[in-house]
Amino acid sequence: SQTIHQWPATLVQPVGSPLSLECTVEGTSNPNLYWYRQAAGRGLQLLFYSVGIGQISSEVPQNLSASRPQDRQFILSSKKLLLSDSGFYLCAWSVGGYGYTFGSGTRLTVV
Amino acid sequence: GEDVEQSLFLSVREGDSSVINCTYTDSSSTYLYWYKQEPGAGLQLLTYIFSNMDMKQDQRLTVLLNKKDKHLSLRIADTQTGDSAIYFCAGSNFNKFYFGSGTKLNVKP
Repeated sequence: SQTIHQWPATLVQPVGSPLSLECTVEGTSNPNLYWYRQAAGRGLQLLFYSVGIGQISSEVPQNLSASRPQDRQFILSSKKLLLSDSGFYLCAWSVGGYGYTFGSGTRLTVV
Repeated sequence: GEDVEQSLFLSVREGDSSVINCTYTDSSSTYLYWYKQEPGAGLQLLTYIFSNMDMKQDQRLTVLLNKKDKHLSLRIADTQTGDSAIYFCAGSNFNKFYFGSGTKLNVKP
């Protein structure tokens, strides 16, 4: 079966510290992978998407970066977190034009 | 990118029908979706409609699409307290999805 794993579930980090959120997918090959962020009281914002290994597209300029070192692994990173990076981060995948499967999300609080 | 807009709140009584509305700007969206987010959880795909369809029914859910007005709606019949959640409308264009801000549905017993 197809599953998506995202961790950690919650994270509290000080301002200026680095960030690494990992997402892995099982049961499918060559998925499109996505990172979304939901800020408090706002809708989902597409941050990055990837259609293949090493291929990353950024939707908005920000303090974050993404990498896809393996077909089913997608990593969201930051060298120095800002307070405004706080939010709920969702990883997702899709194959073809059909809808998403979402991870359970990571709640990041930058203090 | 595409703009997708939804009203933020909807409150209904248990047993009534709920209608959640969404408008979008990009007419090239191939599919349009409704997702449900329960507190603390990820998004769950509820239903989707292909852009050349006007209506899709799936048990208690009815999706209506008006392409001319770029308007999508989700009707939940016989709304239950378990339907309380945030509902996101989304459109897809190529490999990207664009979400509305979500409508919080509150079902009162």
